[in-house]
Amino acid sequence: EVQLVESGGGLVQPGGSLRLSCAASGLTLSDHYMDWVRQAPGKGLEWVGRTRNKANSYTTEYAASVKGRFTISRDDSKSSLFLQMNSLKTEDTAVYYCASARSDYSGWFYFDFWGQGTLVTVSS
Amino acid sequence: DIQMTQSPSSLSASVGDRVTITCRASQGISNHLAWFQQKPGKAPKSLIFAASSLQSGVPSKFSGSGSGTDFTLTISSLQPEDCATYYCQHYDSYPLTFGGGTKVAIK
Repeated sequence: EVQLVESGGGLVQPGGSLRLSCAASGLTLSDHYMDWVRQAPGKGLEWVGRTRNKANSYTTEYAASVKGRFTISRDDSKSSLFLQMNSLKTEDTAVYYCASARSDYSGWFYFDFWGQGTLVTVSS
Repeated sequence: DIQMTQSPSSLSASVGDRVTITCRASQGISNHLAWFQQKPGKAPKSLIFAASSLQSGVPSKFSGSGSGTDFTLTISSLQPEDCATYYCQHYDSYPLTFGGGTKVAIK
């Protein structure tokens, strides 16, 4: 059974930093890209960013709203994904989900599994 | 950025009804389209990828179709456990974007 378990959420002041983790089990991480997706209270889903797999040099992509402030990394040896969030703003308040992405028939990567999410609240 | 527009934003239907949700991309995305189900307080669940391929374990009452800019998600016979918000998402280019969601309820 595939499990993605996020941790590290909490209350942080504007301008502060937080590091989220996602522990993966039951899937071959090296086959997957890994993403972070967030959901502000009562709102829809917003993609945050992605780290590709080793075969694609672990390169990253980010949403414009977080680029330069957030950094995604992974440690496949520990089956873990990370999201370092700096210079946090009140509008970053959301549940943060990690999601795995695998290749479809044509080589494009789609989400397959999701974690349960961790709440980040940015407030003074 | 590619904008994803879902309609309707909400619907209510009777048990056993056939329900269709539409999703339109602001530019062509081939079949690089996924659908997700989210129940209140829960994580999203992946239903469909490549516009029409069912994720493993997803019941066959769910089906997807479309290519280019226009896509649909159909629930063939609505059941109470299908009450949820449904999102489409493209994975054709960066940034990945989601539709605004369609909330499905039982009448």
